[in-house]
Amino acid sequence: KQEVTQIPAALSVPEGENLVLNCSFTDSAIYNLQWFRQDPGKGLTSLLLIQSSQREQTSGRLNASLDKSSGRSTLYIAASQPGDSATYLCAVRTSGTYKYIFGTGTRLKVLA
Amino acid sequence: DAGVIQSPRHEVTEMGQEVTLRCKPISGHDYLFWYRQTMMRGLELLIYFNNNVPIDDSGMPEDRFSAKMPNASFSTLKIQPSEPRDSAVYFCASSSGSQKDEKLFFGSGTQLSVL
Repeated sequence: KQEVTQIPAALSVPEGENLVLNCSFTDSAIYNLQWFRQDPGKGLTSLLLIQSSQREQTSGRLNASLDKSSGRSTLYIAASQPGDSATYLCAVRTSGTYKYIFGTGTRLKVLA
Repeated sequence: DAGVIQSPRHEVTEMGQEVTLRCKPISGHDYLFWYRQTMMRGLELLIYFNNNVPIDDSGMPEDRFSAKMPNASFSTLKIQPSEPRDSAVYFCASSSGSQKDEKLFFGSGTQLSVL
């Protein structure tokens, strides 16, 4: 059974800092992995999707990497801003299914 | 497209009452998902549909929960009878299933409180 873990659970950084969020999964037979952002009281917004055959994806200040063999993905946020404050979740789709299993999320606060 | 639309946004009901949550997926999306989010358990997949057919309902907690998708533009999640432990935010999400765009798109959720 696929299990997804995110560390740390919460993170507080000063504005301008570069930061890394971590996601680990137990079953390396994945089809793809998505990173989401969730603002308080809102739904989730997909930020980046990495296929199992890819090593990384970039969108603006965000870069997501994937190491399937070690069961890990990271989300790198460059030059963080207060507007980046939100909860970030990763979700894994295991091969042979369309089920996305979510991690518990990292609650990020960027201080002005 | 207006995105995934869920109603109601908030629902407060008493234990034992029937609750129906509604979802309109993005037009053209073949996959529809129902998730439940709580502080204790995070986001849990309840059920998902492909082309209106339920594919996996292993996440549905018990027989009190049922979901239907009568057509490509509408789905319901029903809880009967409701219990206080059902209090959570329920999200609907949809996806095209196309390799060109497999992203999940979420609705704003329904905040359910069962008293």
